[in-house]
Amino acid sequence: DLQMTQSPSSLSASVGDRVTINCRASHMITDWVAWFQQKPGKAPKLLIFEASTLQPGVSSRFSGSRSGTDFTLTISSLQPDDSASYFCQYYDASPYPFGQGTKLEIK
Amino acid sequence: VQLVQSGAEVKKPGASVRVSCRSSGFTFTDYELHWLRQAPGHGPVWMATINVKSGVTKYERYFQARVTVTMQTSIRTVYLDVTRLESDDTAVYYCAREKIGAPNGLDVWGQGTTVTVS
Repeated sequence: DLQMTQSPSSLSASVGDRVTINCRASHMITDWVAWFQQKPGKAPKLLIFEASTLQPGVSSRFSGSRSGTDFTLTISSLQPDDSASYFCQYYDASPYPFGQGTKLEIK
Repeated sequence: VQLVQSGAEVKKPGASVRVSCRSSGFTFTDYELHWLRQAPGHGPVWMATINVKSGVTKYERYFQARVTVTMQTSIRTVYLDVTRLESDDTAVYYCAREKIGAPNGLDVWGQGTTVTVS
């Protein structure tokens, strides 16, 4: 089965910083990769789909990109409200694997 | 547009549980409804999907023997049944929609249903 290996597992950054989170697929896949933000006690929220398409209503500070089997979420100009866990997911074929998650702390 | 799930459940090991997911505000038959679960401190895990238009279901191998997904289109509701519950089934269970044939991802999620097996 496909594995999505996400890094780092945790990250601490300051307001105004730019951070990147990576997911590496275990083999070549389509662009059907999504990124989610999840806050404690809440359902995941879709940020990016099809690797780089911003979900309507999501801040343009969030962006996604792809290089080969590497998929990257970039958050620019960090805000306190960005403190959350972030997950990638491949959704083109079952079992629709998620990455292990990245916990982002805002200093 | 929303998915509203049934309330929290507490079950004994060996029991069964049914979680419901009622949709509103969109064309129900344009979507697949996925079920996922998330154990404390872990990421979401996909369990099963039902194509609302065709009724076709897909299951993750690990859950296939104990999980059934059904729907009642007249009331726009999808159900997840899990049998032979174990303590490891303690998790928050989510439904989420995905547009059939479009690469739009899981764009709307239910609020989650906590199932505790103890």
